[in-house]
Amino acid sequence: NAGVTQTPKFRVLKTGQSMTLLCAQDMNHEYMYWYRQDPGMGLRLIHYSVGEGTTAKGEVPDGYNVSRLKKQNFLLGLESAAPSQTSVYFCASSYSNQGRHFGPGTRLLVL
Amino acid sequence: GQQLNQSPQSMFIQEGEDVSMNCTSSSIFNTWLWYKQDPGEGPVLLIALYKAGELTSNGRLTAQFGITRKDSFLNISASIPSDVGIYFCAGPNSGGSNYKLTFGKGTLLTVNP
Repeated sequence: NAGVTQTPKFRVLKTGQSMTLLCAQDMNHEYMYWYRQDPGMGLRLIHYSVGEGTTAKGEVPDGYNVSRLKKQNFLLGLESAAPSQTSVYFCASSYSNQGRHFGPGTRLLVL
Repeated sequence: GQQLNQSPQSMFIQEGEDVSMNCTSSSIFNTWLWYKQDPGEGPVLLIALYKAGELTSNGRLTAQFGITRKDSFLNISASIPSDVGIYFCAGPNSGGSNYKLTFGKGTLLTVNP
């Protein structure tokens, strides 16, 4: 099993550009999450999904949108990137509310 | 919102030494999770604790769920260079959505060979 995979691994954007981060999991987990990690801030939840076709806001949802059209995929979109969105983005999935399985991360730089 | 305070923020130790770190909260948690993040990687779950007073081991790692349910401790015995990384505690928020984990800001561990 590949576990949780993320695409791309690294990306540079200019302010105002858009992009989509893809997360895929092969563990048949119901729950999926998007976090961002910034120095000194720990991991903060952006959006999450409790099942196919559902999404909900986390702690820091502004500027992001998500979609969960298939159970195994969770997409994170940035419609108009801002320098404040420079961060490392982690996708995670879980069978229940407990332990999250994290992906390797996507490093995003917005100039 | 709920916050988890991890201590210390960073540690520099010699290989072979034992390590202790803790996580405290002003709120009660029903579950405590400990994660490790290697440089350039995503966090990996080390130990999960579900009951006050519970003591659980995973190899050289031992974690305890505090009796007050407001704290948890992680100990690493006989540290080795591959123990380097950031250790996070986490717990599910009480009330409201059960799907939101609160993470501490982490303890950065450096092990000198």
